[in-house]
Amino acid sequence: QVQLVQSGAEVKKPGASVKVSCKASGYTFISYYMHWVRQAPGQGLEWMGIINPSGGSTTYAPKFQGRLTMTRDTSTSTVYMELTSLRSEDTAMYYCARTYYIWGRNDYWGQGTLVTVSS
Amino acid sequence: EIVLTQSPGTLSLSPGERATLSCRASQSISSSYLAWYQQKPGQAPRLLIYDASSRATGIPDRISGSGSGTDFTLTISRLEPEDFAVYYCQQYSSSPQTFGQGTNLEIK
Repeated sequence: QVQLVQSGAEVKKPGASVKVSCKASGYTFISYYMHWVRQAPGQGLEWMGIINPSGGSTTYAPKFQGRLTMTRDTSTSTVYMELTSLRSEDTAMYYCARTYYIWGRNDYWGQGTLVTVSS
Repeated sequence: EIVLTQSPGTLSLSPGERATLSCRASQSISSSYLAWYQQKPGQAPRLLIYDASSRATGIPDRISGSGSGTDFTLTISRLEPEDFAVYYCQQYSSSPQTFGQGTNLEIK
């Protein structure tokens, strides 16, 4: 069965960086794009960006340009999301979610990783 | 980017009643590339409807989607206790994909 398993919760200080992993199983890793979506406490869903696991190409939402990097490791079927220069407003649950097409429905989601930014 | 506006913000209904949730787009969504998700507290979103009216795997037929262009609707014909949650619409017709702000469906 398809599973996206994310790394555990993180607590970071302002200005630090965080790297969250998302390990895929149960399907052909390079056949699906992977998106990252975040959700601040009590708020809605915010799209951050997308990576093509096949070639590694990425597209980021403009508000994250310069702070966000997505990478993948095809040998372990894992994608990574790194966000730098963290501020308190980055406190959120971060989800990975796959799509078959570059822009499409997110049919499977990871369980989420809570990132807390606090001094 | 396409802005999605959901209404109402909160909908209070009783089990057995019919729920109608709205999602309006700031510009036309081509090919009806719109999805609906359900999210319960502490859980990731779950895909319910894609391409405006197609049910995802395992979704009961009392949940349906309709609409085109800029106006879309999610309908739950007879509410079950497990349906009370937050619902989000999402468009994926143009970059970046965007989400509505959500409708909280609560028990009356």
